[in-house]
Parts: sequence; C-alpha cells; structure tokens
Amino acid sequence: GIQVEQSPPDLILQEGANSTLRCNFSDSVNNLQWFHQNPWGQLINLFYIPSGTKQNGRLSATTVATERYSLLYISSSQTTDSGVYFCAVSSGGGADGLTFGKGTHLIIQP
Amino acid sequence: GAVVSQHPSWVICKSGTSVKIECRSLDFQATTMFWYRQFPKQSLMLMATSNEGSKATYEQGVEKDKFLINHASLTLSTLTVTSAHPEDSSFYICSAGSRGKETQYFGPGTRLLVL
Repeated sequence: GIQVEQSPPDLILQEGANSTLRCNFSDSVNNLQWFHQNPWGQLINLFYIPSGTKQNGRLSATTVATERYSLLYISSSQTTDSGVYFCAVSSGGGADGLTFGKGTHLIIQP
Repeated sequence: GAVVSQHPSWVICKSGTSVKIECRSLDFQATTMFWYRQFPKQSLMLMATSNEGSKATYEQGVEKDKFLINHASLTLSTLTVTSAHPEDSSFYICSAGSRGKETQYFGPGTRLLVL
C-alpha cells in the first residue's frame, strides 16, 4: 500500500511564527487531505489538495504530485493552531479508505 | 462541508460485553462509510470499508468476527465491538464518502474504555 511520511514529528514555535509541514507519499494519489486534530480528537478537514495550491486564511497548502509531496504552511501562528496535523492519501476518490501519516504535533507557545 | 455524527461519544464497559457505535451522515447519502481506530499518540488506521447494502471489507489484521459492521442505509453505519477486552480500548472514528464526492467527512469519534 501507499506509504505516507510526515515531518517534522514535533514542532514547538512561538506565537506569530510561521511553519511548514511536509508530507511525502510513495505512489500516485487521487486524494490528499490535510487535517487538524483538535485536543478532543475531532478531525478538522483543512484542505483537499491532490495537486496544486490552495489558501484559506493563514493556512495554505501545495501538492507537487509528480514529486509526491505536499506542504502545509501556517503563517502568523496562534495558540489555537496547536494540535496534531495529519496528511492522508488514497489512490481513489471519496470511495476509498485513507492512509494517514503519523502526524506532526505542533505546539504554539504564547 | 458535510456533517457526520457518532453516538455515543464516550463509552465505558466491562470486559466481555459488546458495544455498538453508530455513525450517521446527516446531510448527504453516503454510499461508502469507513471505520478507523486511533490508539493514544498514534495515527489513524483504517479498519474497514462498508458499502451500503453489502458486506464490509476489512483491512489485514482486523478480525471481522470481533468488529461487526452494518451499513443498512445510506445514512447509517454501525460498528459493534463484540466481547470487548481492555486491548480494544481506543478512539474509533467513522467517515462517510461517496463516489460523487472528492473527500471523506469524519465524525467526532467515540472513545471506548474497556475495564
């Protein structure tokens, strides 16, 4: 199956800093999603981005499908950005199960 | 995005009992529902995929006789953990998808603690 690697595993930043999270995947994908898991466990869907670039407020993401990686950018970090960020992929669309990376645990300090 | 609910959000049970978790898609017809499991400080692992009206497909290493999945309608899937044991304690999360949608939509999860 597809392998997903995320880096870094842990990241501690001061409020206001910018960060880049990386997701490498081992095979072609038709679905790539970035999630933020809050302290209560809820997965918040940030981006559906199998290719290209998207932006939503302070967050943006870029996927270079030909090189099999995706980047999540967080600008002007806030303490509420803390949590675990997961990248998940599948070779199919919405009807295929997702393979998750191990996540990046982000801590934003005030 | 679409809304998916799970019930219950928390369950504590004694070893040997069975526990049923419901997953509902509230505003779209989910032809496919997925069940994931997440142990503390670990990632999510896909357990099984269920299509409405047919048997679930289980991932390697997941016991189908222990984790019974029913997807009887386009808005409801259930996961029953039979004869639960402490090692089954985990966070169970469902998601709903369909061929017409690009993404999956996740429920809020159910925390199971087996004593």
